[in-house]
Amino acid sequence: DTAVSQTPKYLVTQMGNDKSIKCEQNLGHDTMYWYKQDSKKFLKIMFSYNNKELIINETVPNRFSPKSPDKAHLNLHINSLELGDSAVYFCASSQRRTSGRLTYEQYFGPGTRLTVT
Amino acid sequence: GENVEQHPSTLSVQEGDSAVIKCTYSDSASNYFPWYKQELGKRPQLIIDIRSNVGEKKDQRIAVTLNKTAKHFSLHITETQPEDSAVYFCAATLYNFNKFYFGSGTKLNVKP
Repeated sequence: DTAVSQTPKYLVTQMGNDKSIKCEQNLGHDTMYWYKQDSKKFLKIMFSYNNKELIINETVPNRFSPKSPDKAHLNLHINSLELGDSAVYFCASSQRRTSGRLTYEQYFGPGTRLTVT
Repeated sequence: GENVEQHPSTLSVQEGDSAVIKCTYSDSASNYFPWYKQELGKRPQLIIDIRSNVGEKKDQRIAVTLNKTAKHFSLHITETQPEDSAVYFCAATLYNFNKFYFGSGTKLNVKP
């Protein structure tokens, strides 16, 4: 029973290429996120979607474009990849209210290790 | 926006000792503070959280304390075990706000 899944797990590509990472959650959550974790392990939020609507867009180059076809999916497309894009990208989801109790636990996917050569 | 600082960046303890990781935040409006544990090559997972109306919360060997006045919160792990070795992240956010501000992480190494 995978709660949050991402594909692919590893992605090796050359500079200038365009690639996509897919994320799906089966938890029925209303909010999904993309995070970038660099080589120093720093976790930085990139985007947040609530009920398919973009609500947070951090200072991210417009080469990165998220797309949420429905509440269970949040994909990330990256154009013109650069060396500095190499990192682990985590998708996560959360639900604002569960059984009357406010909870903000974020469930993370397994991560996608992107290497740009 | 919120700024979360975390210390130390690395922490090495002997098995059985206690470990303390500290975080400070800048936005007094933040009212939810989770802690995540990330084992090598794996995803971050929530281990404990605390809300601003509570000063301390405990779950077996882990506890979190919050000082709203000073705007800092800490993770305490007692009787550390080798399986506690991981990177720990603190975070801060505001209810009904979908942005989590993470600290820079603490790599905890528990020596057997």
